[in-house]
Amino acid sequence: SQTIHQWPATLVQPVGSPLSLECTVEGTSNPNLYWYRQAAGRGLQLLFYSVGIGQISSEVPQNLSASRPQDRQFILSSKKLLLSDSGFYLCAWRWGGGNGYTFGSGTRLTVV
Amino acid sequence: AQSVTQPDIHITVSEGASLELRCNYSYGATPYLFWYVQSPGQGLQLLLKYFSGDTLVQGIKGFEAEFKRSQSSFNLRKPSVHWSDAAEYFCAVDSNYQLIWGAGTKLIIKP
Repeated sequence: SQTIHQWPATLVQPVGSPLSLECTVEGTSNPNLYWYRQAAGRGLQLLFYSVGIGQISSEVPQNLSASRPQDRQFILSSKKLLLSDSGFYLCAWRWGGGNGYTFGSGTRLTVV
Repeated sequence: AQSVTQPDIHITVSEGASLELRCNYSYGATPYLFWYVQSPGQGLQLLLKYFSGDTLVQGIKGFEAEFKRSQSSFNLRKPSVHWSDAAEYFCAVDSNYQLIWGAGTKLIIKP
């Protein structure tokens, strides 16, 4: 069966420090992968999506970047975190044909 | 442009009462529609989806939703809520390679 793993679950980082959040998918190949951010009390904002290895589309300009070094691995990064990067980050992969998306359990990032 | 509107930011219902959460969408083609639920500090779980066929779809946890093309709506219902249903609920439409999300409705259950 297909599963999605996201870690860490929580992270507290100082301003200016780097960031690396990892997401991996099992049980499928060539998935469409997504990074979303959810700020407190707000909906989900699509940050990046990837349809294949090395293919990254960015939805909003920001302090973050994404990479897809392997078929089932999607990484969210920053060289220097800002306070405004705090939020709840969710990785997801898309089933084919409108069958929906499966989300990871999320990472709560607090930048201090 | 595609959009999803959830007009209610918060809804409070008594345990055992019926529930309806509203969702309206704007989309040019036949939409793929979803409802997700998010418990505090957790990821999102798919409740149900619609992409063709019967316009009344059944989901998990006793939820159902009805697709009404004429009203561009996909409202979520449950006949009798339980305290464990307290969470935030998101409606979404699948637009090419991404989901367009509503802002969410927070469900509060009164004992």
